[in-house]
Amino acid sequence: GQSLEQPSEVTAVEGAIVQINCTYQTSGFYGLSWYQQHDGGAPTFLSYNALDGLEETGRFSSFLSRSDSYGYLLLQELQMKDSASYFCAGSSNDYKLSFGAGTTVTVRA
Amino acid sequence: NAGVTQTPKFQVLKTGQSMTLQCAQDMNHNSMYWYRQDPGMGLRLIYYSASEGTTDKGEVPNGYNVSRLNKREFSLRLESAAPSQTSVYFCASSETGEYGYTFGSGTRLTVV
Repeated sequence: GQSLEQPSEVTAVEGAIVQINCTYQTSGFYGLSWYQQHDGGAPTFLSYNALDGLEETGRFSSFLSRSDSYGYLLLQELQMKDSASYFCAGSSNDYKLSFGAGTTVTVRA
Repeated sequence: NAGVTQTPKFQVLKTGQSMTLQCAQDMNHNSMYWYRQDPGMGLRLIYYSASEGTTDKGEVPNGYNVSRLNKREFSLRLESAAPSQTSVYFCASSETGEYGYTFGSGTRLTVV
């Protein structure tokens, strides 16, 4: 099975940078994904790291260290629309995804 | 392009009633999944189908059954609903099962 730990909430002001950490324990680990979910909506895919290092997609970046069983999502130039829940999710060799409990990001003006 | 379509969007059941949640995807994905989401607990996997013709239990399968009707459709059945099954249910699909899951808009189920 898989276990993923992430902080429950983070608050920051517009324009700031936020880092959401995720540690995992998993067997047959393939990679780490990040999903965004606005209140009442469906989760949407943000990024995926299968190899160590940083992946950048616009204002969002994701990092993975397989040796440390650790990853993070970096949100830069925060905007009000970034207020949402963010989930890390680990994939494994049995074709399924396990999710962390989620981090609620609140952006203040 | 509809993506993943779930029906119904809302449902209220009485304890002991049965119902089937429907899910269909039009992306020709191989893998399909049913998750439930409860406050503060993230998404928990109920059942999944890695490919057409196969189904497997996830983290919380008790009280549920599934059918992979064809490559497009994956249904979730509650045989005898219980208040503990009050939740938001999401269907998802993926080409590889590894990443890039596409989720439906969810079914909000209340069991009274």
